[in-house]
Parts: sequence; structure tokens; C-alpha cells
Amino acid sequence: GNSVTQMEGPVTLSEEAFLTINCTYTATGYPSLFWYVQYPGEGLQLLLKATKADDKGSNKGFEATYRKETTSFHLEKGSVQVSDSAVYFCALGGANTGNQFYFGTGTSLTVIP
Amino acid sequence: GAVVSQHPSWVICKSGTSVKIECRSLDFQATTMFWYRQFPKQSLMLMATSNEGSKATYEQGVEKDKFLINHASLTLSTLTVTSAHPEDSSFYICSAQGEVSPLHFGNGTRLTVT
Repeated sequence: GNSVTQMEGPVTLSEEAFLTINCTYTATGYPSLFWYVQYPGEGLQLLLKATKADDKGSNKGFEATYRKETTSFHLEKGSVQVSDSAVYFCALGGANTGNQFYFGTGTSLTVIP
Repeated sequence: GAVVSQHPSWVICKSGTSVKIECRSLDFQATTMFWYRQFPKQSLMLMATSNEGSKATYEQGVEKDKFLINHASLTLSTLTVTSAHPEDSSFYICSAQGEVSPLHFGNGTRLTVT
């Protein structure tokens, strides 16, 4: 079946620190992989995605590479800002899953000045 | 701008009453809509999938008589929580998919049942 395992939080970092949020998946077939961000009181916003192995998704300084060999899609950012404080969800989905998404449990990130 | 509008963004209701949540695709025709529920500090759990003009497909463990889903048009799906109880308090999010458009999420509805 399809599932996503995401590192537990919460994560607290100082501004300009390096961020890594681990995500691994199990899937039947070849799904697309996503990172969504949820700011307090808001819905999900797509942060980045990758549709096939070795693809790198990037946006707003965040990056994640679709690693088929390790079934991973770790989120990284070289220098976090206070405004990056949010909950981050790793997910798999797309046309190969009938657009049904499978989410990780979310990782809460707090960046302190 | 937002391409999926969810309304209301928050609602407080008394136990035993029913609440309707709307999910609208603003600039595309949504052939499929998904409804999710998010418990505090947990991930989103898919409740049901609805295709325009047909009955919704509910995930295991979701009571179809309690969570009524209607997808009567290509731009609107509604979720009605019937006879709401405090344990139904949660964050509900819809997403919509068109034939040629990517998947978009609404901003969610926070339901509090007192």
C-alpha cells in the first residue's frame, strides 16, 4: 500500500540554521511526491513537488529530491527564517494514485530570531 | 489567487445541529473533490472522494450518514456534518481536481461543536 513516514517534531531552530525534515515513503507504482506547508490557522499550500525519480523540487529556498533507491524525499533549506515557522507535510499522490493523497503526520517547525 | 474556496473558514455550533461546508472551484471545473479531516497535531485523513454527479466514495470508518457529501455541479461540493457532536470538532479541508488542472486545496474549515 501507500504510506508516508515523516520525522516527528517539533523542530526548533535559530534563524539562518540549516533545516532537514526527513520523509520516507512506501508506494505501489510510481507516485509523485510533495511537500505542503500549513501556516497557523490556514489550509495547505503546495511548497514543492517531484514527479519522478531523481527529480528535484525547489521553491522559496526549500529543496527535496525524489530518491527511489532510498524511497525518500527529504526537505532541506540552507538558511531558515522566522517566516518559515509552520507545519510541513510530506505527501505522495498524483495521477498514479487517482489523485488520492497520503500524508505524513506533519512536522512543526519554529524558527526563533 | 486562491482557486479553491472553502466556506465558512470557521464555525461554532451546538451539539445536535447540522453544519454545511462548501468547497468551490473558482476558475476550473472540478471533476473530483476530496474531503479530509485533520485532528489536532495529526495529519490529514481522507474521508471521502466525490465525483460530479455520482455518489461519494467513503473511506473505511467514515460514517456516510453522518458526513453527507454532495457534488452536484462541477464547481461545488458540500460536506454536511449531521447531528454534530463535540467529537466532530476538527479541521476539515477539501481539495479539487479538474481534468486538466492540478490538485488544489481549500483553506479549510475549523468546526467547533459545543
